[in-house]
Amino acid sequence: GAVVSQHPSRVICKSGTSVKIECRSLDFQATTMFWYRQFPKQSLMLMATSNEGSKATYEQGVEKDKFLINHASLTLSTLTVTSAHPEDSSFYICSARDFRLAGRQETQYFGPGTRLLVL
Amino acid sequence: GENVEQHPSTLSVQEGDSAVIKCTYSDSASNYFPWYKQELGKGPQLIIDIRSNVGEKKDQRIAVTLNKTAKHFSLHITETQPEDSAVYFCAASKNFGNEKLTFGTGTRLTIIP
Repeated sequence: GAVVSQHPSRVICKSGTSVKIECRSLDFQATTMFWYRQFPKQSLMLMATSNEGSKATYEQGVEKDKFLINHASLTLSTLTVTSAHPEDSSFYICSARDFRLAGRQETQYFGPGTRLLVL
Repeated sequence: GENVEQHPSTLSVQEGDSAVIKCTYSDSASNYFPWYKQELGKGPQLIIDIRSNVGEKKDQRIAVTLNKTAKHFSLHITETQPEDSAVYFCAASKNFGNEKLTFGTGTRLTIIP
């Protein structure tokens, strides 16, 4: 149980284009989803937190107009990297949590990640 | 805010030996401490977690200990196997609202056959 999927697993795009990454909770309802960014050999950096039907809360230094997050349903959140540039190349990972799960309120389940390469 | 430190950054152990990774946290209000294993090119996978009302938790070859007074917690892997080679992250959070996980810097564990 508690499976999170991401699509696509990897994407290559040209500079200036926009890229959408989907994150789905497959067997539970995600009351909260999180988006992280990870550079090679580094830890996970939280970008934003989103609750279903609400606007995302972005971490300091993360441009909300560049990284658009939509959490339209309890099983789907999307991250759109707008006008992508080479410096946006990274590994993007989502996680999901259901605070109603008894004994598992805090547990975050992670997706497999999406590797973005901007040329 | 919370700050989590993790040591060592790299660890090599002979297959069959034990591995220990240690983390300290700064916020005494933190009460949830998960450990994640991340293999190359994949997302983190939860391997064990502990809450502050428990001092130790074990799951087969993996155990986690928590010392609330000292604000540190450790991951213990016994009888290590090659498939245990990965990067391990500790994290800490409070357990209400939208509390986020604060991650350690990671430990690259290599099991030597």
